[in-house]
Amino acid sequence: GQQVMQIPQYQHVQEGEDFTTYCNSSTTLSNIQWYKQRPGGHPVFLIQLVKSGEVKKQKRLTFQFGEAKKNSSLHITATQTTDVGTYFCAGYSGAGSYQLTFGKGTKLSVIP
Amino acid sequence: DAGITQSPRYKITETGRQVTLMCHQTWSHSYMFWYRQDLGHGLRLIYYSAAADITDKGEVPDGYVVSRSKTENFPLTLESATRSQTSVYFCASLGLSNTGELFFGEGSRLTVL
Repeated sequence: GQQVMQIPQYQHVQEGEDFTTYCNSSTTLSNIQWYKQRPGGHPVFLIQLVKSGEVKKQKRLTFQFGEAKKNSSLHITATQTTDVGTYFCAGYSGAGSYQLTFGKGTKLSVIP
Repeated sequence: DAGITQSPRYKITETGRQVTLMCHQTWSHSYMFWYRQDLGHGLRLIYYSAAADITDKGEVPDGYVVSRSKTENFPLTLESATRSQTSVYFCASLGLSNTGELFFGEGSRLTVL
């Protein structure tokens, strides 16, 4: 079955430093989503990327979808303590599929 | 308030007991999902439902039963709980917009002793 791998598993950064998490799928994805889960909370949708090579920005967050639609990345510029949490990528394997497969997530800690 | 709610939020039970986790959404979303979250495994799909009376297995369905008699409710039942089913369970529904966004409930933390 489809596998979505995410690295790193953990990342500790000093406040103000940048952060990047990477996502790789074993199969071509129809689209990829990113979610954020605060400690003790539930996953919250951040964004969906659909097009090959797509880049989207949300303030300090930059999301990329690879040309082959098998990898993606989330980059946070100048991290803040409010960025703390676990970031998950998730992908749908094909048109008409509603089974969203999640990566294991990257847990971000920000040291003030 | 509109949204997706889960109950109970916390549950402790014993091995072999039957447990039902409830999920209710007020948006009339067709698709609903149950995920479990375990350290080191991320979120894994247990079951999902495309509409009332339509359910299908996800990645880890063994030991679980679901039903969907009404669009707004999607209960998850552990017929005979095992320690390996200790986990945090999230219910989610699929939004109607083209973003494909999943809306998650607050989660139900289940401990099986």
